[in-house]
Amino acid sequence: DVRLLESGGGLVQPGGSLRLSCAASGFTFSSFALTWVRQAPGKGLEWVSTISGSSGTTFYADSVKGRFTISRDNSKNTLYLHMNSLRAEDAAVYYCAKDATPYSSSWYFDSWGQGALVTVSS
Amino acid sequence: DIVMTQSPDSLAVSLGERATINCKSSQSVLYSSDNKNYLAWYQQKPGQPPKLLIYWASTRESGVPARFSCSGSGTDFTLTINSLQAEDVAVYYCQQYLHSPITFGQGTRLEIK
Repeated sequence: DVRLLESGGGLVQPGGSLRLSCAASGFTFSSFALTWVRQAPGKGLEWVSTISGSSGTTFYADSVKGRFTISRDNSKNTLYLHMNSLRAEDAAVYYCAKDATPYSSSWYFDSWGQGALVTVSS
Repeated sequence: DIVMTQSPDSLAVSLGERATINCKSSQSVLYSSDNKNYLAWYQQKPGQPPKLLIYWASTRESGVPARFSCSGSGTDFTLTINSLQAEDVAVYYCQQYLHSPITFGQGTRLEIK
């Protein structure tokens, strides 16, 4: 079974930094693009960032470009999201999600983690 | 960015009845080269992550009951849940994945009447 387990969430002050991790198992990690999607409390889903499987090509939402960095370690089956210059509006549950199609980015997601809560407050 | 607008924002349906959720995109999500609609539907139950229900606008994900179906093309789509069950209580989201950035609808909350 596919498993995605996020960690690293917590409380951070505005302007601070945080690194989220997503440990994956149950599939050939390097063959799939992976994505971070966030959900502010009581709100809908917002795409944050995507990284391709093997080449590591990255994509970012305008709202996080220049502040967040997505990366992956295919030897550790782990996805990361480095978040800098955090703002109040970045507060959300951050989900990692697996692309549905190997070797290409289908941009829809067949497996999701349980999420990591990021709170930005002084 | 493509705006996905769902209607209604919430609805209450009796057990065993049909629920209908609409999703409208600000631009067509039908790709002429492959004649596919790049639209997915997700179900999110309270306290859980989203779950993929349907992709390519009409293909049910493995394990999704046949009472879930989707119709439409281009800019207008409808998710239908026949014979509503108690476990269908959730928020439903549509997502387009043809245009960058991918975008989601605002969600429709489905409750039991």
